[in-house]
Amino acid sequence: EAGVTQFPSHSVIEKGQTVTLRCDPISGHDNLYWYRRVMGKEIKFLLHFVKESKQDESGMPNNRFLAERTGGTYSTLKVQPAELEDSGVYFCASSQYGSARADTGELFFGEGSRLTVL
Amino acid sequence: KNEVEQSPQNLTAQEGEFITINCSYSVGISALHWLQQHPGGGIVSLFMLSSGKKKHGRLIATINIQEKHSSLHITASHPRDSAVYICAVIPRHGQNFVFGPGTRLSVLP
Repeated sequence: EAGVTQFPSHSVIEKGQTVTLRCDPISGHDNLYWYRRVMGKEIKFLLHFVKESKQDESGMPNNRFLAERTGGTYSTLKVQPAELEDSGVYFCASSQYGSARADTGELFFGEGSRLTVL
Repeated sequence: KNEVEQSPQNLTAQEGEFITINCSYSVGISALHWLQQHPGGGIVSLFMLSSGKKKHGRLIATINIQEKHSSLHITASHPRDSAVYICAVIPRHGQNFVFGPGTRLSVLP
């Protein structure tokens, strides 16, 4: 069974450009999460989809970030225009029942997309 | 102050040593996860705990809900255990992870 896949693995762009990150969750997982780790800081939650709906987007830093999950399958995270402080590793994770359930809420992470903004 | 703290921040051990990484948190939780991030960057979920203790191979995770504390133990450590170990909690009144800063472990041959 394929795990969570993310693309690209590494993107280098200039300030002001646009980047779109993609996440393909495990098939059948309704819950999809985006997280971000910027240099030297702990991983931070960005947002949570249940199927195609945004369950919680309280972690999105500002309106330069746009996440979509059309059809409830793969998700994209677009940064437009990118700023220097957006550099970091963006992780996607999926789960079947939601991470709050201690008995079944296991999360499966992707390898991450490293974004470097110059 | 972060809601989730880990100690130590960095740890270097010799192969074969017994290793303990600690996590303390300040909020009531419904679950705690231990995650492993390898140098390549990918994150793997090691354990999910809400009480007691779990064991998987050479890894043991314990949690004390009353003391708001969890430990991850590695027995007979090996260089391939070198990674960043991250403690993450689900607050009782939330749905999403709060992550600790991670503990960077290096096991020397």
